[in-house]
Amino acid sequence: DAGVIQSPRHEVTEMGQEVTLRCKPISGHDYLFWYRQTMMRGLELLIYFNNNVPIDDSGMPEDRFSAKMPNASFSTLKIQPSEPRDSAVYFCASSLTTDGYTFGSGTRLTVV
Amino acid sequence: GIQVEQSPPDLILQEGANSTLRCNFSDSVNNLQWFHQNPWGQLINLFYIPSGTKQNGRLSATTVATERYSLLYISSSQTTDSGVYFCAVVKYSSNTGKLIFGQGTTLQVKP
Repeated sequence: DAGVIQSPRHEVTEMGQEVTLRCKPISGHDYLFWYRQTMMRGLELLIYFNNNVPIDDSGMPEDRFSAKMPNASFSTLKIQPSEPRDSAVYFCASSLTTDGYTFGSGTRLTVV
Repeated sequence: GIQVEQSPPDLILQEGANSTLRCNFSDSVNNLQWFHQNPWGQLINLFYIPSGTKQNGRLSATTVATERYSLLYISSSQTTDSGVYFCAVVKYSSNTGKLIFGQGTTLQVKP
């Protein structure tokens, strides 16, 4: 298996633009998670899905953030409009019920 | 919510030395993992260890669930072991599946 695949690896955008991050989980995994990592706050859970259904989005910072999982093999995290304080590394992870988590390589987002 | 504390926050070793990293958690957990974040930012799963002891090469981990701590042992450290080591736990409840991270231990191995 190729693991959890995220794209793009790096994204630089201007403030106010829409940003879409993509994730392909490991085939057969039934949980998908979006995390954000910053120096100040460490690794924070934004939202997670179970069988494509959002279970907990309490970590999503505000309405500018949205996430979807239209099928078992694809998820997006969208920021609209983006702001400089959204600059961070965004990780996607997947797991199989009670098994361990596997993380993607992350997307480094810079909003200027 | 559950608290995860790691110690030490920073560690500098000479190549070849051994070390022990500790993770304390404030409540019973259903899942515990150790990750290594390398200098390129990748989060690599080291161990899935809710209880007991596991070994993988020069690394081993022990979780004593009843006492709410886990230890990661690194033997004969190498420069490639440098990076940040995270402990993360899950407690299944109404919000099942949340993996909560500690703040990490930053390890630097000098040649």
